[in-house]
Amino acid sequence: DTGVSQDPRHKITKRGQNVTFRCDPISEHNRLYWYRQTLGQGPEFLTYFQNEAQLEKSRLLSDRFSAERPKGSFSTLEIQRTEQGDSAMYLCASSSRTPNTGELFFGEGSRLTVL
Amino acid sequence: AQRVTQPEKLLSVFKGAPVELKCNYSYSGSPELFWYVQYSRQRLQLLLRHISRESIKGFTADLNKGETSFHLKKPFAQEEDSAMYYCAFLSGNTPLVFGKGTRLSVIA
Repeated sequence: DTGVSQDPRHKITKRGQNVTFRCDPISEHNRLYWYRQTLGQGPEFLTYFQNEAQLEKSRLLSDRFSAERPKGSFSTLEIQRTEQGDSAMYLCASSSRTPNTGELFFGEGSRLTVL
Repeated sequence: AQRVTQPEKLLSVFKGAPVELKCNYSYSGSPELFWYVQYSRQRLQLLLRHISRESIKGFTADLNKGETSFHLKKPFAQEEDSAMYYCAFLSGNTPLVFGKGTRLSVIA
């Protein structure tokens, strides 16, 4: 197991297009998180799953964003009708179930550029 | 709301000099605090957590509830310590909240 993997690593798209990112967590981890990071900021929480259940969503996650984790393994984050403000690094992280130790294992991120 | 503040965007020190990266939090309860680090071209990773009271790579951090601080310290900086450092906050089952980060640059 090479850790959390994300795909694609880079995505350039035109405003108004839809994009989808995939995250494969560490296999025995059942918590999966999505964060967004823009220049000069720390990672900002978007949403997280425990198994296939989406337990919390940030107000940053507008209606254009949707995340799924259908079988409790990999997850996808889709952004519809992209806007320039969506340009950011999208980070996925996973952790073991309980207790909530605060130790997240991050992927390398998917960088989105919206033109 | 929970908040983590890292007042310095950039900290430059000479090799061998002491390092202190500042972190303050706002929360009325008993938080758990962490330092994460991101070296160049590597992924974000946990450096240390306050409950472990451990020293990792020569770094230590003490939770000061009176000052609501969790500063990261190292007595003698090394060039390989150059990285982005993020303070992070956890309470209960809420997701980690990160500060904006401090870039540490150790000058040879």
